[in-house]
Amino acid sequence: QSALTQPPSASGSPGQSVTISCTGSSSDVGAYKYVSWYQQYPGKAPKLMIYEVSKRPSGVSDRFSGSKSGNTASLTVSGLQAEDEANYYCSSYGGSHNLLLGGGTKVTVL
Amino acid sequence: QVQLVQSGAEVKEPGASVKVSCKASAFAGHAITWVRQAPGQGLEWTGWINTNNGDVKYGQEFQGRVTMTRDTFTSTVYMELRNLRSDDTAVYYCARAYFYSLDVWGQGTTVTVSS
Repeated sequence: QSALTQPPSASGSPGQSVTISCTGSSSDVGAYKYVSWYQQYPGKAPKLMIYEVSKRPSGVSDRFSGSKSGNTASLTVSGLQAEDEANYYCSSYGGSHNLLLGGGTKVTVL
Repeated sequence: QVQLVQSGAEVKEPGASVKVSCKASAFAGHAITWVRQAPGQGLEWTGWINTNNGDVKYGQEFQGRVTMTRDTFTSTVYMELRNLRSDDTAVYYCARAYFYSLDVWGQGTTVTVSS
């Protein structure tokens, strides 16, 4: 069982938006700004898409955005494209130098 | 741009140990973490090492079985996992930690535990 809870799947049609949630607790997601999101294609290493809740690394499309409310963080992918079909994972600092990971969400572009 | 290059695939018997390496183009003061992924499963954090002073923090599930070390001369980090079980079969990734986000990843090392 993962420390952070994500829905197993999400989907949307091309051009639409999809939002993925990541629920933790007041000791991790709710306590720190260190929430990140990763995109992973099958057989490939994960790629950092969002860090510190809502910041995008250089080179990541602005169609990806992050937010947080209370103990739940969210990743929104706007203007869905076929290339966005992948698995997405969230992570959060959990205090005491621990890193927590979500179980992953498979995004399907219909 | 920092790159992380990991050692090759390993096949081990149950009860054995495995040591995986992760060579960085430069440590640059960042911590290196290890994340594993069992076949068809999600990501699991195993721990990290501060490349400046060697301090480590291991995930609770791995306490007592894992050791992370670093060689500052070669900018290489090692993860040793002992007393291997079949459920340790996974791809093991090293990644650079930037304020608790993992911004650069290695290519992954497949560890297979089988008799």
